Amino acid sequence: ILNVEQSPQSLHVQEGDSTNFTCSFPSSNFYALHWYRWETAKSPEALFVMTLNGDEKKKGRISATLNTKEGYSYLYIKGSQPEDSATYLCASLTGTASKLTFGTGTRLQVTL
Amino acid sequence: EAQVTQNPRYLITVTGKKLTVTCSQNMNHEYMSWYRQDPGLGLRQIYYSMNVEVTDKGDVPEGYKVSRKEKRNFPLILESPSPNQTSLYFCASSFTVAGEQFFGPGTRLTVL
Repeated sequence: ILNVEQSPQSLHVQEGDSTNFTCSFPSSNFYALHWYRWETAKSPEALFVMTLNGDEKKKGRISATLNTKEGYSYLYIKGSQPEDSATYLCASLTGTASKLTFGTGTRLQVTL
Repeated sequence: EAQVTQNPRYLITVTGKKLTVTCSQNMNHEYMSWYRQDPGLGLRQIYYSMNVEVTDKGDVPEGYKVSRKEKRNFPLILESPSPNQTSLYFCASSFTVAGEQFFGPGTRLTVL
């Protein structure tokens, strides 16, 4: 994988559903993987910065895992709420680069 | 309050009229960058700066210039704007390139 890819592109779930998204990134020279939450009409806000293979991070109902050897990360949301509606971005940093490369995001909509 | 500010927030201009979008952060961050957001393309990095007087091209630098004379400021300059530079622009900063990015509120630019 040369670029950062996210799937699905969009997702529509009902309140209370649990859901997850995938971020795939180049595994060679891996340095860090970021997750951001981006609400409409606002700016992206950092959720997690992950650096170690097998890393798991949690913030409330949101958690993330990291597999640097195969180049993927999962973001999980447990018991989705309408306020979770946002676009979730991941970004990869390789050891040879000085810049983050962002995926195109997964747009989540949670309805009552 | 720790923040990244951008000005202006909205701008409509005409082709060829030089403009500057300012970015300032008050967190003593070393790393700053500019992104543009276009539908379906995700956040793409324009330029970044590792520290004062150190700047480098991102993925889409054509038509843009930056400077980093002071640690807190990182202006984006469009010497001769063209319609294909119509976009939503974000400035971001972090302590290091691997650290979580703090985003400004965004500048919506329209070039007629």
